Amino acid sequence: IAGITQAPTSQILAAGRRMTLRCTQDMRHNAMYWYRQDLGLGLRLIHYSNTAGTTGKGEVPDGYSVSRANTDDFPLTLASAVPSQTSVYFCASSDGLTGTDTQYFGPGTRLTVL
Amino acid sequence: GQNIDQPTEMTATEGAIVQINCTYQTSGFNGLFWYQQHAGEAPTFLSYNVLDGLEEKGRFSSFLSRSKGYSYLLLKELQMKDSASYLCAVADSNYQLIWGAGTKLIIKP
Repeated sequence: IAGITQAPTSQILAAGRRMTLRCTQDMRHNAMYWYRQDLGLGLRLIHYSNTAGTTGKGEVPDGYSVSRANTDDFPLTLASAVPSQTSVYFCASSDGLTGTDTQYFGPGTRLTVL
Repeated sequence: GQNIDQPTEMTATEGAIVQINCTYQTSGFNGLFWYQQHAGEAPTFLSYNVLDGLEEKGRFSSFLSRSKGYSYLLLKELQMKDSASYLCAVADSNYQLIWGAGTKLIIKP
């Protein structure tokens, strides 16, 4: 079944550790996104990629980095985790053809930084 | 700044109709989305409006007034499975989605 997968499902991490959240899609979508979702706040865009080989900063990029080596994968790295990065992280993808394509979301990664 | 406002929580009865409102102030407008998110799950697409008016899709309808910066999602014949959060999002001038905090809808028998 086509879709987006994320790993891990959940993780507890000590502050200061490095962590990579994985995201893979098999829909051959051009655009991919990383969001964080916190209680009482809307989804906030961390980084995005309009096509393989390019990335851009979203609303809350500090402390995070991404890469887009190919169409399918879009990993998110926390270089040195801090407690304020405790959140649910969603990866999403879209055709990226019109700029207002429907975004399809992965199941999310629940990250706790202690 | 950019802002999307939705009620935090609403309660409705099974079989009834409920309207969830969304008002927005954004730098530019390239369409408005509604997504559904069940607890602990990913958001899933419900509707997209870019022109004024009502879009109907089965039990769900979405309305847009660009001049008023206003949209609503109308859910008819409510079912228990409609208990979820409903997220309003606007595509701004850069085509980035600005998200509301969501409206938690509780359906009672």
